[in-house]
Amino acid sequence: DTGVSQNPRHKITKRGQNVTFRCDPISEHNRLYWYRQTLGQGPEFLTYFQNEAQLEKSRLLSDRFSAERPKGSFSTLEIQRTEQGDSAMYLCASSLGTGSYQPQHFGDGTRLSIL
Amino acid sequence: GNSVTQMEGPVTLSEEAFLTINCTYTATGYPSLFWYVQYPGEGLQLLLKATKADDKGSNKGFEATYRKETTSFHLEKGSVQVSDSAVYFCALSSTASYDKVIFGPGTSLSVIP
Repeated sequence: DTGVSQNPRHKITKRGQNVTFRCDPISEHNRLYWYRQTLGQGPEFLTYFQNEAQLEKSRLLSDRFSAERPKGSFSTLEIQRTEQGDSAMYLCASSLGTGSYQPQHFGDGTRLSIL
Repeated sequence: GNSVTQMEGPVTLSEEAFLTINCTYTATGYPSLFWYVQYPGEGLQLLLKATKADDKGSNKGFEATYRKETTSFHLEKGSVQVSDSAVYFCALSSTASYDKVIFGPGTSLSVIP
């Protein structure tokens, strides 16, 4: 169990640029989640994948956001035309969906700063 | 929809003091309940969990009991240490919602020697 890995750890970019983050879940985990955490708040759910299928998207995920999980392995989260309000910590979590409760394992996150 | 409310911080305690952080939830069905902890500069870690009513989760001296009648999951520790200084998040998940985790706003705890 190598844990959930997220890259990069930090991303600083100018407003209007596109950014992409990567998440590598624990290898056998079929469920993958993205969350966003702003300063002083709890993480908020963005989207959920079961294998390669994106099954739920939060209303927080505007048209500028897109997430993929090709082949049901790693996932990417892309933000187009970044805005100041996109500055946050982006967290990825994975779990093994077996029908009974299994805990989510969180990565250390990617901190995005928009200049 | 599902939601979590927890006491606002910051909370400052002296070492060896008793800790309680209140948490209440709103959910349909039978959610699982959690406390996550975020130490300074680190990622989220699951501290403890309870998956059904009257279950008690415990870890590292922390405890919380799933109270369905009061929809609560208060976190307690009998004697806090400086190393317990962190932000604590109460959270829930439901199989009806793909087990996505709904977090409370977090409570910052500072323990002073």
